[in-house]
Amino acid sequence: AQSVTQLDSQVPVFEEAPVELRCNYSSSVSVYLFWYVQYPNQGLQLLLKYLSGSTLVKGINGFEAEFNKSQTSFHLRKPSVHISDTAEYFCAVSAGNAGKSTFGDGTTLTVKP
Amino acid sequence: GAGVSQTPSNKVTEKGKYVELRCDPISGHTALYWYRQSLGQGPEFLIYFQGTGAADDSGLPNDRFFAVRPEGSVSTLKIQRTERGDSAVYLCASSQSTEPYGYTFGSGTRLTVV
Repeated sequence: AQSVTQLDSQVPVFEEAPVELRCNYSSSVSVYLFWYVQYPNQGLQLLLKYLSGSTLVKGINGFEAEFNKSQTSFHLRKPSVHISDTAEYFCAVSAGNAGKSTFGDGTTLTVKP
Repeated sequence: GAGVSQTPSNKVTEKGKYVELRCDPISGHTALYWYRQSLGQGPEFLIYFQGTGAADDSGLPNDRFFAVRPEGSVSTLKIQRTERGDSAVYLCASSQSTEPYGYTFGSGTRLTVV
């Protein structure tokens, strides 16, 4: 079984500042990792994913995440945020080819002018 | 279709009633998933289909919940004898297969049991 912990439930940040949303996971087998974003009144959208290979993965809208196997982390970063990045962000893990994913409880990113 | 379509978008029902929630996945996507999202929490897995068969239904909370996908496309999640605790947003997602490509989610059905 796997689990996901998003360490911050809310992250307020000023526009153009850098941001990091933290995600830790636990699993007894190899994992695939995902970040999804949910904008207000919209469905979840895949932001980026780690399957294998390079531990630094880039996604849409200037976001990137780094897979750290020793620390079992997959933190999401953006060097300069915009007002439009205000949303709920979910980290998810999938083990092997099990199909299903386990999600964290989300981090609300609020970007202030 | 261009995206995953879920109907209805909102459903209010009385305790004890039966409800059906529909999901129309992206054309050609063989894998279809149902999740449930309660307020302040992440999506919680319910069931997934590979083609017409339920490959994993370990997340269904009890026997009041059932889902079908008879022709390998549209799926219906059925809830009998609804309880107030069933109130949540029910999300459907599809993907090209059960390989870890990531999901495309629908906008969800908000179910309120009064």
